[in-house]
Amino acid sequence: IQLTQSPSFLSASVGDRVTITCRASQDISSYLVWYQHKPGKAPRLLIYTASTLQSGVPSRFSGRGSGTEFTLTISSLQPEDYASYYCQQVDIYPFTFGGGTKVEI
Amino acid sequence: EVQLVESGGGLVQPGGSLRLSCAASGFSFSTCSLSWVRQAPGTGLEWVSSISSTGEFTYYADSVKGRFTTSRDNSKYTLYLQMSSLRAEDTAVYYCAKCYTSCQKYHFDVWGQGSLVTVSS
Repeated sequence: IQLTQSPSFLSASVGDRVTITCRASQDISSYLVWYQHKPGKAPRLLIYTASTLQSGVPSRFSGRGSGTEFTLTISSLQPEDYASYYCQQVDIYPFTFGGGTKVEI
Repeated sequence: EVQLVESGGGLVQPGGSLRLSCAASGFSFSTCSLSWVRQAPGTGLEWVSSISSTGEFTYYADSVKGRFTTSRDNSKYTLYLQMSSLRAEDTAVYYCAKCYTSCQKYHFDVWGQGSLVTVSS
C-alpha cells in the first residue's frame, strides 16, 4: 500500500491553521497513524485510528478520514510544532509511511 | 517510565554484519509486539520489521528480507536486529518502537532515540 502525503514542504506562521493530506493507494479503513518527528529526537505518536488523539498530545492536533483519504490539522501552529509529520498505514503488512511533510517558518 | 534504548550501531563495511539491540523498561515487555523503523540521511521514515509478543511471528520489508533477522529475548527485555550482507543504502538511523499491543491495526506508541548505522568502506 502506497501512501502519498502532501505537501512535502509547508511554510507557515505561528497561529496559522495547517492541514496535511495523506492518500492511500487502497482502502485501509481507519488504520492510519500520524507521527511528529524532530531532528535528533524519537518520533512521537500524535493520532491513531485516523482520529484518536494520543494521551498528552495538545488538542490543536486533529485527524480525520477513512478509506483512502486522511488529513492531519493543526488548528493554531505553535513554535514547538515546527517538525516533520508522517502518516503510516498499519492495516496490512508491509507497513508503509508517507513521504513526510516538513513544516517550517 | 516507559523507555527503549538502542545500541550496537556503528561503521561497517559493505557486505558486513552488525547486530542492534533495544533494551526496554517500564512496561510488560512480553505482552507487546515490537518493530524496527529506519531513516536514511535526508529521507523519511521506513518500516523495517516487526515481531510478535512471543517472537513466533516476524515480518520484514522487501528491502531487507533475507538479510535482516529480528528476534527478542523476553527474559532480558531486549529486542534485536541482526543485519547481514549490508549495503550502502542500509545506512540510516535505526529506531526500535513498541506497538500498543500488536503492531497490525494498532500504532507505535513508544520509540527509542535511535542508533546510527553507517555502511561504508
